[in-house]
Amino acid sequence: AQKITQTQPGMFVQEKEAVTLDCTYDTSDPSYGLFWYKQPSSGEMIFLIYQGSYDQQNATEGRYSLNFQKARKSANLVISASQLGDSAMYFCAMRNRGAQKLVFGQGTRLTINP
Amino acid sequence: GAGVSQSPRYKVAKRGQDVALRCDPISGHVSLFWYQQALGQGPEFLTYFQNEAQLDKSGLPSDRFFAERPEGSVSTLKIQRTQQEDSAVYLCASSLGGAGPEGEQYFGPGTRLTVT
Repeated sequence: AQKITQTQPGMFVQEKEAVTLDCTYDTSDPSYGLFWYKQPSSGEMIFLIYQGSYDQQNATEGRYSLNFQKARKSANLVISASQLGDSAMYFCAMRNRGAQKLVFGQGTRLTINP
Repeated sequence: GAGVSQSPRYKVAKRGQDVALRCDPISGHVSLFWYQQALGQGPEFLTYFQNEAQLDKSGLPSDRFFAERPEGSVSTLKIQRTQQEDSAVYLCASSLGGAGPEGEQYFGPGTRLTVT
């Protein structure tokens, strides 16, 4: 069975600082994908970044990067130079390659302080 | 282009009423998903369609929940005899399909269902 664990219910960071949101996962499938989504107070889920289990390099998308440590089964999201607009819920999710559904973690509420 | 749309955005139902939630996916997306998100939790998978075929309904919590996508486009999630524990945000997502990043799911704004 797949499982995603996000151990930080809330994070508070000063504007312009970098922040790391933790995510660990568990799966018996050797082929899988890891995703991060942002959910602002308006409710929609916004895709941020994707990492495949066989990707050799850590994924990056603008200010977002994924610190993928396969042996530790962790896929932490790093946001550089945080902005006030980054305040939101952040969800880590995974999908086994043979499946379509996403399995989500509990989420981390990130608050950026001015 | 237009994203995933859902209607209604908010629905209040009395316990025991039936409700129908609509999802309009992105045009051309073959895969469609329904998720349930309880307050303060991450979304949980309900069901998945590829075109008009419902390929996975393992997440539907009871036989009161029914989903359809008869023409492979618009989908409806129906909940019969609503209970208070059905109160949640129901998210719809669509994708081009595929196992890698091309299978990225695009989410709608959700329907917030409150059962009183």
